[in-house]
Amino acid sequence: QVQLQESGPGLVKPSQTLSLTCTVSGDSISSGAYYWSWIRQHPGRGLEWIGYIYYSGTAYYDPSLESRVAISLDTSKNQFSLKLTSVTAADTAVYYCARSGTRGYYNDYWGQGTLVTVSS
Amino acid sequence: DIQMTQSPSSLSASVGDRVTITCRASQSISTYLNWYQQKPGKAPKLLIYAASSLQSGVPSRFSGSGSGTDFTLTISSLQPEDFATYHCQQTYSSPQTFGRGTKVEIK
Repeated sequence: QVQLQESGPGLVKPSQTLSLTCTVSGDSISSGAYYWSWIRQHPGRGLEWIGYIYYSGTAYYDPSLESRVAISLDTSKNQFSLKLTSVTAADTAVYYCARSGTRGYYNDYWGQGTLVTVSS
Repeated sequence: DIQMTQSPSSLSASVGDRVTITCRASQSISTYLNWYQQKPGKAPKLLIYAASSLQSGVPSRFSGSGSGTDFTLTISSLQPEDFATYHCQQTYSSPQTFGRGTKVEIK
């Protein structure tokens, strides 16, 4: 059974870098069959796509975040990571990692989500 | 970016009711439309992909239809476990975008 689990600090200071890792079990992120995504949800609001990465290392980002975001892979640990720089209170959200199909890009497996609060 | 507009934003319904939620895209997205169910404090769960394909393990009372700009999610007979928020998502073009959600509440 495919499982994803986010990990990382729950509190980040303004202007610092948010770093999260998603550990995948039950599937290989280097199989080439899926993209590996990050999605966030601001408190009480809708979902926002951040970006995804393919096994080749090619990543795609939301243009509104592209200057601050980087997604990377660690195939030896079957993990992928998110870094978001220069965070502000507007980056406070629940962050989800998810598996996305290469046809249709729908997200069929999700992590449980982790709340990241940006505050001094 | 393609804007996704869901309606209604919330609705009240009774167990056994037929419920329909609509999602409209700001431009044609063919059938690159997915539906998710989200319960409080939980991650979204994929219900329907490619506008009308039922995800494995999802009850058949859920169905999706539409193409182009107008889509619907229908729950044929609402069950107690269906009270949740439903999100649509377009994956026709990047960046993929979501609707703001429809909260289905108990009447």
